[in-house]
Amino acid sequence: EVQLVESGGGLVQPGGSLRLSCAASGFTFSSYDMHWVRQATGKGLEWVSAIGTAGDTYYPGSVKGRFTISRENAKNSLYLQMNSLRAGDTAVYYCARGGKTGGWFDPWGQGTLVTVSS
Amino acid sequence: AIQLTQSPSSLSASVGDRVTITCRASQGISSALAWYQQKPGKAPKLLIYDASSLESGVPSRFSGSGSGTDFTLTISSLQPEDFATYYCQQFNSYPLLTFGGGTKVEIK
Repeated sequence: EVQLVESGGGLVQPGGSLRLSCAASGFTFSSYDMHWVRQATGKGLEWVSAIGTAGDTYYPGSVKGRFTISRENAKNSLYLQMNSLRAGDTAVYYCARGGKTGGWFDPWGQGTLVTVSS
Repeated sequence: AIQLTQSPSSLSASVGDRVTITCRASQGISSALAWYQQKPGKAPKLLIYDASSLESGVPSRFSGSGSGTDFTLTISSLQPEDFATYYCQQFNSYPLLTFGGGTKVEIK
């Protein structure tokens, strides 16, 4: 069974840092692009970052320069280092596998909540 | 960046109704569109990819159509378990990805 399990969320002060992890199982992790997607409470979905099989990384303007996505294929793990956090970064963060032949997300993890507040 | 506009933002329907949700892209995206279902407190679930391909295990009452800028998700006969929020997502500009604002389907 394909499974993604996020961890590392919590309460952090504005300007602080947090590192999220995603443990993957049930598939050949190194063969897939991986993503982080977030959702503020009561709001829609926002793509946050992507990492390709070759380690190439991509970000939207809202987090570029503050967030860093990385992967460790030997540990079947995905990470998101978040620096200079703002109140607007408060959300549930989901780890998601990229589609094998296209840019959709399937499956998703259960999510981890990040709260940025003083 | 490619923007996706979903309509309506919410709708009320009864069990057995045919429901149609629209997603419009700000520029042509060929068939690079996916649809997701999200229930409260849960992660989104992939329903449709490549605009009209049904994900394995998804009931056949769900269907997708369209190409270019206009897309639809149709539920042919709404079931109690289908009350949820639905999102479209484009991947034409992969890996720069965007979602529509969502459509909440509520019980009438």
